[in-house]
Amino acid sequence: KNQVEQSPQSLIILEGKNCTLQCNYTVSPFSNLRWYKQDTGRGPVSLTIMTFSENTKSNGRYTATLDADTKQSSLHITASQLSDSASYICVVGSYGNNRLAFGKGNQVVVIP
Amino acid sequence: DGGITQSPKYLFRKEGQNVTLSCEQNLNHDAMYWYRQDPGQGLRLIYYSQIVNDFQKGDIAEGYSVSREKKESFPLTVTSAQKNPTAFYLCASRLDNQETQYFGPGTRLLVL
Repeated sequence: KNQVEQSPQSLIILEGKNCTLQCNYTVSPFSNLRWYKQDTGRGPVSLTIMTFSENTKSNGRYTATLDADTKQSSLHITASQLSDSASYICVVGSYGNNRLAFGKGNQVVVIP
Repeated sequence: DGGITQSPKYLFRKEGQNVTLSCEQNLNHDAMYWYRQDPGQGLRLIYYSQIVNDFQKGDIAEGYSVSREKKESFPLTVTSAQKNPTAFYLCASRLDNQETQYFGPGTRLLVL
C-alpha cells in the first residue's frame, strides 16, 4: 500500500483561480514533507520542505501546510497561471531511512 | 553552470541489448539516486549511493546495475534482464547534511 496518497488525481482550473491539493501519509517516524513541481518530460523541482515543527511554508504563489497530528498536507496555488500546469508530487522522508516515499502526483491543468 | 545533468534525453533500446544512462553532477553532492517513473505511478527507487565506490539496491533493482567510481558520476545500466524497461528515468543527488534531493532532467527510454 502506498504510504503517500494524493488527491485529486487531476484537476482543471481557470487561469487566475485558486486551487488546493491534498496529501495524506502514513510514513513513520516522520521526518519531513516536500512538495515538488514536475513539468511534463522534465525532472521534479522542489517547491517547499517542512519538518515536524513547521505547519506552513510559502514559495511565491505556492503555500504548503502540514498537520503532523493528522498526517495531512496541502498545497495551495493562488491566482493560477498557465505555467502552473504540471504534476505536483508530495514526498515524505522518514528518520533513519535513506529512502523517500513518493505520492503519485496531482496533475493540474490551467486553462485560459 | 552548476547542476545535475542526464544524457541522452531520449534513448532507444533493441530487445536483448544493454544500455547505459549517464548522470553527472558538479554540485559536490555526496549521495546520488536513480528512480524510475511510469505513468500514473509514484517514483520508484532503483539504486542509490551515499559515497564513492558504494551503492545500495532500491525497491526495483532487478535488471539494473550501477557504478560510483567518481563522486560526480553515477551511471545506470539497463540490462537485457529488465523485461519492461520503457520508462522515464530520473537521477537525483543531495548533500549529506541536507534533506532536499535535486533532480536531473530525465532520460526517456523506449524499447524497439
